[in-house]
Amino acid sequence: EVQLVQSGAEVKKPGESLKISCRVSEYSFTSYWIAWVRQMPGKGLEWMGIIYLADSNTRYSPSFQGQLTISADKSISTAYLQWNSLKASDTAMYYCARTPSTTSGYFDYWGQGTLVTVSS
Amino acid sequence: SYELTQPPSVSVSPGQTASITCSGDKLGDKYACWYRQKPGQSPVLVIYQDSQRPSGIPERFFGSNSGNTATLTISGTQAMDEADYYCQAWDSSTAVFGGGTKLTVL
Repeated sequence: EVQLVQSGAEVKKPGESLKISCRVSEYSFTSYWIAWVRQMPGKGLEWMGIIYLADSNTRYSPSFQGQLTISADKSISTAYLQWNSLKASDTAMYYCARTPSTTSGYFDYWGQGTLVTVSS
Repeated sequence: SYELTQPPSVSVSPGQTASITCSGDKLGDKYACWYRQKPGQSPVLVIYQDSQRPSGIPERFFGSNSGNTATLTISGTQAMDEADYYCQAWDSSTAVFGGGTKLTVL
């Protein structure tokens, strides 16, 4: 069974950097896109961006472009979400999710979520 | 940017039919899918490509998409169906989620 396993909860201060991960237990990992989705406390789902492991083709939501970096290491089937300088407003649950397509795809497997808390 | 609009809340009595709508410009020309999210859990896909059910999703979940509106219909609603439901579609290689609908089973 496909599993997306995310790194553990983080507590950071404003201005600090952070990189969270999403490991996919699936031999055909390179055939899929991995997206990152934000859910702020008590709010809905927001699509942040996506990466195709086979060629690291990456796309960002206009709302998040320039605010963070999505990357991947296909040798260990892992995608990453990285911030250089966190803000309190980055406090949220972050999910990774898999999709076979960026035109008609659906997110069929989701990680368990990584809670990021940014507080001074 | 493309937007999907859902009602914030829908209430239904046990055993009755619940309908949750998702509106967007020419949404019927795109594929819509639906996710269920219970408190403290990750979202779960319940409908994809407008009307397809993943394995393990009960037959009482039905999806349709035409014109500007996609609809998730749950027949014979059960207490376990109480959750937040999100629609999602793609526009210009960007995924868009609706704002979510809280389904309450009274």
